[in-house]
Amino acid sequence: SQKIEQNSEALNIQEGKTATLTCNYTNYSPAYLQWYRQDPGRGPVFLLLIRENEKEKRKERLKVTFDTTLKQSLFHITASQPADSATYLCALDIIDTDKLIFGTGTRLQVFP
Amino acid sequence: DTGVSQNPRHKITKRGQNVTFRCDPISEHNRLYWYRQTLGQGPEFLTYFQNEAQLEKSRLLSDRFSAERPKGSFSTLEIQRTEQGDSAMYLCASSSRTGYNSPLHFGNGTRLTVT
Repeated sequence: SQKIEQNSEALNIQEGKTATLTCNYTNYSPAYLQWYRQDPGRGPVFLLLIRENEKEKRKERLKVTFDTTLKQSLFHITASQPADSATYLCALDIIDTDKLIFGTGTRLQVFP
Repeated sequence: DTGVSQNPRHKITKRGQNVTFRCDPISEHNRLYWYRQTLGQGPEFLTYFQNEAQLEKSRLLSDRFSAERPKGSFSTLEIQRTEQGDSAMYLCASSSRTGYNSPLHFGNGTRLTVT
């Protein structure tokens, strides 16, 4: 069956360090992969999109990689700040379908 | 751009009652999606519209659930004969969806509690 897995345990890191979150998928052939941020009680907010033929995408302190052979995406936040504390969701945008399928999300806590 | 608006923000209802939620998407977006999210989980796809046409409905959506988007603008999601298992956050999102690469713009959801 199709599955998207993200670390279910919270990731706790110190301010200034790089946070790395993982998204693994099975039995999908995504054309795109997206990352969203979600704060408690709010809807997800789009951060980055990466296509299947792109290895890496950057936006300010954010970097996403996409390895279709490993079926994995890594999401990095460099120089992390307490304001980066949130849940981060990966979502697969699959060709020939018109919906995003979300992972369970990973909660990131950045402490001073 | 006023964003996606959802009403009400919170709804508490007794088991067996009917509830209706409203979503106002970003005005120029032709696609509208409904998702459901429970604690500790990611959003689960329920259904989506392109303009006024409902194009797909998840198998998760029982016949107690119905969604409409008359005139291709706002949308409503109705749950009939609510059950405690329906308690969740109901999220609406819209996109311009010119290809398979448009991000979704989410509202802040309606939190439903069924007692």
